[in-house]
Amino acid sequence: AQSVSQHNHHVILSEAASLELGCNYSYGGTVNLFWYVQYPGQHLQLLLKYFSGDPLVKGIKGFEAEFIKSKFSFNLRKPSVQWSDTAEYFCAVNRGWAAGNKLTFGGGTRVLVKP
Amino acid sequence: DVKVTQSSRYLVKRTGEKVFLECVQDMDHENMFWYRQDPGLGLRLIYFSYDVKMKEKGDIPEGYSVSREKKERFSLILESASTNQTSMYLCASGRQGGSYEQYFGPGTRLTVT
Repeated sequence: AQSVSQHNHHVILSEAASLELGCNYSYGGTVNLFWYVQYPGQHLQLLLKYFSGDPLVKGIKGFEAEFIKSKFSFNLRKPSVQWSDTAEYFCAVNRGWAAGNKLTFGGGTRVLVKP
Repeated sequence: DVKVTQSSRYLVKRTGEKVFLECVQDMDHENMFWYRQDPGLGLRLIYFSYDVKMKEKGDIPEGYSVSREKKERFSLILESASTNQTSMYLCASGRQGGSYEQYFGPGTRLTVT
């Protein structure tokens, strides 16, 4: 069965610090990769996605993610966080039509940015 | 903008009650999904649907059923609510193929006492 692992459940850091959240998946075929974010009290929204092409993907709010196929990883990064980046972040994997357009989510990482 | 709405933000029900959670999307998406979100477990897929009157089991369908009588509406049913179904329930919709992106509703926090 396909699984998605997020290594850190909780991350606490100060404003202006750099952020990197790890995500690994277990499926070896073609995948589509996503990072979603859930700000406190808000619904889940898409941060960025990777389908093909350049493995370095840029998303909203200064976030980027790098797909490393050999490591089955899709890590999320932001060079300098702000207090408003406090949220829960979810990595998700989709195998396209073969898997019925389903998304498999990681367990999530709660990020707290201290002002 | 895509809009996915859910009938309630908070719901409190008693053990054994039948519970209906409603979800409506306004973007004519073919696919609709129901997830539950629990701390440390992320989102887990309960059921999904590709089309009207069509449903497929997700990873954790036990204790749940669904109904899709109209394209824009997807209902989750707890036939006999139990305390272990206390959770946040998220509905999502998405287009068939294409970007595979899913759009989420605000969630319903269900408490079963």
